[in-house]
Amino acid sequence: QKEVEQNSGPLSVPEGAIASLNCTYSDRGSQSFFWYRQYSGKSPELIMSIYSNGDKEDGRFTAQLNKASQYVSLLIRDSQPSDSATYLCAAGSSNTGKLIFGQGTTLQVKP
Amino acid sequence: GAGVSQSPSNKVTEKGKDVELRCDPISGHTALYWYRQSLGQGLEFLIYFQGNSAPDKSGLPSDRFSAERTGGSVSTLTIQRTQQEDSAVYLCASSLGGPSYEQYFGPGTRLTVT
Repeated sequence: QKEVEQNSGPLSVPEGAIASLNCTYSDRGSQSFFWYRQYSGKSPELIMSIYSNGDKEDGRFTAQLNKASQYVSLLIRDSQPSDSATYLCAAGSSNTGKLIFGQGTTLQVKP
Repeated sequence: GAGVSQSPSNKVTEKGKDVELRCDPISGHTALYWYRQSLGQGLEFLIYFQGNSAPDKSGLPSDRFSAERTGGSVSTLTIQRTQQEDSAVYLCASSLGGPSYEQYFGPGTRLTVT
């Protein structure tokens, strides 16, 4: 059973701090990784995709991938209360057409 | 451009009735996925369509659930003889195809079985 693991949280950070969200995956053949943000009562929204080892930055978001350690992370700089949401990590399956989703980490940014 | 659309946005039905949920993917997207999300839970994969290939039905929880995709575009998820445990948000997503491509989600259909 291919899995993606995330700490459910909640992760609480003060406004303006860096939030660090982490994810591990079991499918060593996965080549694509995604972070989704899901506000309460809404559907998941894609915020980052990453395919190569290293860092990928987009505005206040940085995704980090380490395939050797099977580890993906998302950093949110200058966290805002509007960043409070559940963040879903997903890994592309190496032998099916599917994405494998983690259960999500709830982030709370306190003013 | 237009995103993934789903209808209805909300559906309340009585136990034992059949329901149909519709998904319109992003134009040009060959892959279409259905997920279910119960309150406070993660995404549960249901079924995956890719082009003209046979769908991956491995996530369908029972034979009361079925889905079809007509003309490689619109998809309908049908739940027969609904049960209270079917109450959830049903999400549709589409992509250009396969696990390397980003999936984009529709707004979902909230199903309540009374």
